[in-house]
Amino acid sequence: KQEVTQIPAALSVPEGENLVLNCSFTDSAIYNLQWFRQDPGKGLTSLLLIQSSQREQTSGRLNASLDKSSGRSTLYIAASQPGDSATYLCAVCPIQGAQKLVFGQGTRLTINP
Amino acid sequence: DTGVSQDPRHKITKRGQNVTFRCDPISEHNRLYWYRQTLGQGPEFLTYFQNEAQLEKSRLLSDRFSAERPKGSFSTLEIQRTEQGDSAMYLCASSFHSGRRTDTQYFGPGTRLTVL
Repeated sequence: KQEVTQIPAALSVPEGENLVLNCSFTDSAIYNLQWFRQDPGKGLTSLLLIQSSQREQTSGRLNASLDKSSGRSTLYIAASQPGDSATYLCAVCPIQGAQKLVFGQGTRLTINP
Repeated sequence: DTGVSQDPRHKITKRGQNVTFRCDPISEHNRLYWYRQTLGQGPEFLTYFQNEAQLEKSRLLSDRFSAERPKGSFSTLEIQRTEQGDSAMYLCASSFHSGRRTDTQYFGPGTRLTVL
């Protein structure tokens, strides 16, 4: 059974710092891995999607990497801003079956002005 | 393309009442997923449809839960005899899938259910 773990559960940093969020998964048979952002009480916003054949994806200040063999992904946020404060969720899409996403518990990020 | 929409956005009900939620997927998407998210946790899969066929249901989906997708368009999720443990955010997602391609899932804003 696929399990996804995100560390740390919560992170608080001063504005302007670069930071890394971690995601690990137990089964490397994945179709892709996706990072989402969730603001309190809201739905999910997709940030980056990495196909299993890719090593990284970039969008603006965000960079996500994927090491499928070791079951790890990182989300790097450069020059953090207070508007980046949110919960960040990692999800893997299994190759087999329904491609239902398996999520981690998320990292709650707070950027202090 | 207006994205995935869900209605209502918030629902407060008393224990024992029935509730129904609606999800309208992106129009050309043939797959529709329901997930449930409790406070402080990541979303968990409940069920999914390909066109009008419900192809898989999670063990989380007890007999009090039923989902439909008539004509392969919008979907409804009904919870009968609600319990306080049903309080959660219910998320809907849609995607396009063919034999050669599976696109990313796009999520709606969710329906937040509170059972008193």
